Parts: sequence; structure tokens; C-alpha cells
Amino acid sequence: AQTVTQSQPEMSVQEAETVTLSCTYDTSESDYYLFWYKQPPSRQMILVIRQEAYKQQNATENRFSVNFQKAAKSFSLKISDSQLGDAAMYFCACDAGGTSYGKLTFGQGTILTVHP
Amino acid sequence: EAQVTQNPRYLITVTGKKLTVTCSQNMNHEYMSWYRQDPGLGLRQIYYSMNVEVTDKGDVPEGYKVSRKEKRNFPLILESPSPNQTSLYFCASAGQGFYEQYFGPGTRLTVT
Repeated sequence: AQTVTQSQPEMSVQEAETVTLSCTYDTSESDYYLFWYKQPPSRQMILVIRQEAYKQQNATENRFSVNFQKAAKSFSLKISDSQLGDAAMYFCACDAGGTSYGKLTFGQGTILTVHP
Repeated sequence: EAQVTQNPRYLITVTGKKLTVTCSQNMNHEYMSWYRQDPGLGLRQIYYSMNVEVTDKGDVPEGYKVSRKEKRNFPLILESPSPNQTSLYFCASAGQGFYEQYFGPGTRLTVT
């Protein structure tokens, strides 16, 4: 069974600064996918960024980037130039792929507060 | 507009009274899934479906049933709800390549 752990229940950052959210995972599959989702107060789940395990290059989407350390099974999210609209709950998730394709496991979530 | 819809959005019911939460997507996606969200636990997968008539258990399937008779619909059935099923429920769908799951707006269920 795969597991995803977010060890930071809450984080805060000043507007325009950079913050990093941590995530570790464990899976026995070799071909898997990792995601970061954002959940604002509206409760809507929004995909932030996606990483395929076979790709060595870290994914980047505008101000959002990941640090994917496959050997350490670590998948952190860096938010640069933080904005007030980044305030939300962030979830890390893993799709084990292979025979477990479609079976998605989420972490516990990290609440991000952005101070003006 | 491409979307996943869920109904009802809010539901208060009593223990043992069967209920169905509907989920529908208009993106012709093969994959659909149900999750429940509880404080401190994140989202946990209940059931998922890779295509019509194909369903598999997620991490917390006990007390739930699903069916996938049509590609666009994936209802969640609680035959005999109990208070521990009080939660926020999300339906999601994804297309080929599973690049992104599109989530519905959520259903807040309270079982008394």
C-alpha cells in the first residue's frame, strides 16, 4: 500500500516571499505520478502541478515548482512570490500507476496562510 | 462548460436511511472516482472506475456502493448510513493519460 505524509499541518508566509511545503511518500511501484492540489475556502480542488516519476526534471508551473527527490521519496512544493490568493489548503497526492493506476492516495494537507 | 456535478450539495439524514449522491461529468472521461475528506486525514479514496462496468475499491470502501452503467455517471450509494460516514464527499473524473483529475464541488453529508 502506498502512503503520503505531509508533516506540516500549517505554514505561513509573507506576501511576495517564498515558501516550501513538504511531502514524503512511499510506494512499491516504479512508475507513478505525484500531484499537488490546492483547496481554497470555496472547497474546490485545483491541480497545481504534476510530476511523472520517470522524469528527472522537476516540474514547474509559473510561480510553482517542485523538488522531486526520487531516492528520498520526497516531493516538496515551492511557491515563489507568494500572493494573497495562494492562501489555501494544499494536498500532496500519489498515483501508484502500474497495476494500481487510478488509485490515488492523498496526504493530510497543509494549511497555508499568506500575510500581507 | 466542462464540469463535474454532484447532487445534492448538502444533505442531512438519519442513521439507516438509504441515500444516493449523484455524480455526472460532461467531458467523456473514462476514469471517475469518489473521495471523502475528513479533518486531519486529507482525502481518502472510496471507489474508482476506469471505465463503464469496471469499478475497484479504494482505501475506505466499507459501507459504500457504486455503479458505472454509463460513462458520464458514477453514483455513490450508502445503503445504511451511519454517523461515522458524516463527511465531505468529492467526485472526480479524468481523461486519457490521467493528467489531471477534475473535481466536483463536494457534497457535505451529515448522518445523525
